[in-house]
Amino acid sequence: ELKVEQNPLFLSMQEGKNYTIYCNYSTTSDRLYWYRQDPGKSLESLFVLLSNGAVKQEGRLMASLDTKARLSTLHITAAVHDLSATYFCAVAPHTGTASKLTFGTGTRLQVTL
Amino acid sequence: EPEVTQTPSHQVTQMGQEVILRCVPISNHLYFYWYRQILGQKVEFLVSFYNNEISEKSEIFDDQFSVERPDGSNFTLKIRSTKLEDSAMYFCASRGQVGLLNTEAFFGQGTRLTVV
Repeated sequence: ELKVEQNPLFLSMQEGKNYTIYCNYSTTSDRLYWYRQDPGKSLESLFVLLSNGAVKQEGRLMASLDTKARLSTLHITAAVHDLSATYFCAVAPHTGTASKLTFGTGTRLQVTL
Repeated sequence: EPEVTQTPSHQVTQMGQEVILRCVPISNHLYFYWYRQILGQKVEFLVSFYNNEISEKSEIFDDQFSVERPDGSNFTLKIRSTKLEDSAMYFCASRGQVGLLNTEAFFGQGTRLTVV
């Protein structure tokens, strides 16, 4: 059974600081996704990572994938309050099928002034 | 921009009652999903649907649950006899256009189900 773990579960950081959220998964996968969720809201797609060494950046967020280590990171640069949300990684183990996403536990990010 | 829409946004039901949660996936997508999220917890897979049949279902998706795509646009989740522990946010998702199978899943805004 695929297991997806994130750490930390909760992260409080000051505006302007940098930090990294880690996502480890237990079996081979070639598709990893990052989603953002605001309280009571839906899941907003941030990044799709499809190959080993993939790196994607959008604004202050950068995601990377190391399929050999079964690890993805979401790096936050110079955090701002608007980034406060819960971030989930999700893994799909198979390509080209209707396969489900297995979500991580989520990291609740709180950016303080 | 195309989006997945769900109705209702919030449903309160009595234990033992049947509920139907409705979703309109993005029109040219091929794969459809239901997930649920109990308050404060992670998102859990319930069922996937492709080519008018269930592709995969989780242990949560027992005989009380069913899905249907009755008219080629709506995708519904029925819970036959709700239990208190069914209270959760239910998300519908769709993905996968022909030739673009590795795209991400797009999620609806969710239906908050409260069983009392």
